[in-house]
Order: sequence, then C-alpha cells, then structure tokens
Amino acid sequence: DTAVSQTPKYLVTQMGNDKSIKCEQNLGHDTMYWYKQDSKKFLKIMFSYNNKELIINETVPNRFSPKSPDKAHLNLHINSLELGDSAVYFCASSLREKLFFGSGTQLSVL
Amino acid sequence: AQSVSQHNHHVILSEAASLELGCNYSYGGTVNLFWYVQYPGQHLQLLLKYFSGDPLVKGIKGFEAEFIKSKFSFNLRKPSVQWSDTAEYFCAVRGGNTPLVFGKGTRLSVIA
Repeated sequence: DTAVSQTPKYLVTQMGNDKSIKCEQNLGHDTMYWYKQDSKKFLKIMFSYNNKELIINETVPNRFSPKSPDKAHLNLHINSLELGDSAVYFCASSLREKLFFGSGTQLSVL
Repeated sequence: AQSVSQHNHHVILSEAASLELGCNYSYGGTVNLFWYVQYPGQHLQLLLKYFSGDPLVKGIKGFEAEFIKSKFSFNLRKPSVQWSDTAEYFCAVRGGNTPLVFGKGTRLSVIA
C-alpha cells in the first residue's frame, strides 16, 4: 500500500495558469510537508502542517498556498504560475523525525 | 519504474564506530544516485551524489558512497561517526527524466 501518494506525477502547464497538486497519506501522521527540489537537487521545505495548523512557512511566494481539508491530506495550490516554478515538488508526512515521502510531482511551466 | 530499498530502519552506533548504510535500487538504465541527510529539526540536505565517473564519491562531513553497478547498490560509509551524525539518512535514485525516488530512510543514532 502506498503510504504517501501525490498526484499528478507530471504536470505541464502554461505561464499564468493556476494548478494544484494533491497529497494524501494513510499513515495516520499528524504532520505533513511540501518540499521543492531545486536545481542543485536540494530539497527545501515550503510548508508543514500539524493538525491543520501551518507551523513552517519558509520564504515562499504567496502564490503558493497549502490547503489541508483533513489531517490525511495536504494539497498545494499554485496561482499565476511562473517559469521559475518549474521543479519537482515532494509531499511528505512524519512521525516525530522520520519522514515518509511521496514520489514527487514534476512541474514544467512553459 | 525505479525503486529504492534501504535495508536498515534504525542503526545505533557508538562514537568512533564505522558506519555503512545499505541502499539498493532497481532500474534498468542510467541512474543518478543521491544520499540526503536530515538532522533533527532541520530539512533535508544533500550529502553526496553520483552522476558518472569515479564510482567512489566523497561527500560532506567525511561521508563517502560507492556505486557498484553490478550489485545495483550505493552504500553510504563513514570511517568514524560522531554524535553529531545522529540523523535520518535517505537514499534516492533518479532514472532518466523521472523525479527522484526516495528510500524509506535509515535513522542513525550515535551514542557516547
């Protein structure tokens, strides 16, 4: 069974569009995260949610907004997409310090 | 599709002991291989990566990894661990243009 699943796996879109990436975890974890993998392959944390409260928000443009309808889901909405948003985005959930990652979504903005 | 397996979920070592964390992957083509580390309370950091060339890769903080193509392995090593190496370690594989696939991670606890 997939522990952390995110969809879609690939997303190709035009500049200026609004898109969403969905994430679901069936592990019963309280904390979920969104990471962005940059061009140097570093994973940088964008958001983390604990019991539906935003507890980390690195310097991310407000065009990015996480939405958590319940503790098993943390979706990422991106408005007015820009070329620089092209990257791979990873969802994760955690129990204490052990992270479980989704398989990633490769976003390409044309 | 590629997959990654890390053999150990939790490794406990004394300071100065030698470390080897196993990582095996499955993918039929050319791969890029990575090890990430997450220290307590911090986000993931890239420890080292292999793209091509010398299969023995040196990373930060005295870590190294060896790519053995015939064994589909990319094990992480350090001759002498320190207490500050306590962290979660993730192996990751990327084949072709696909996104990174991570292993489930290995927690390393170093005790004095």
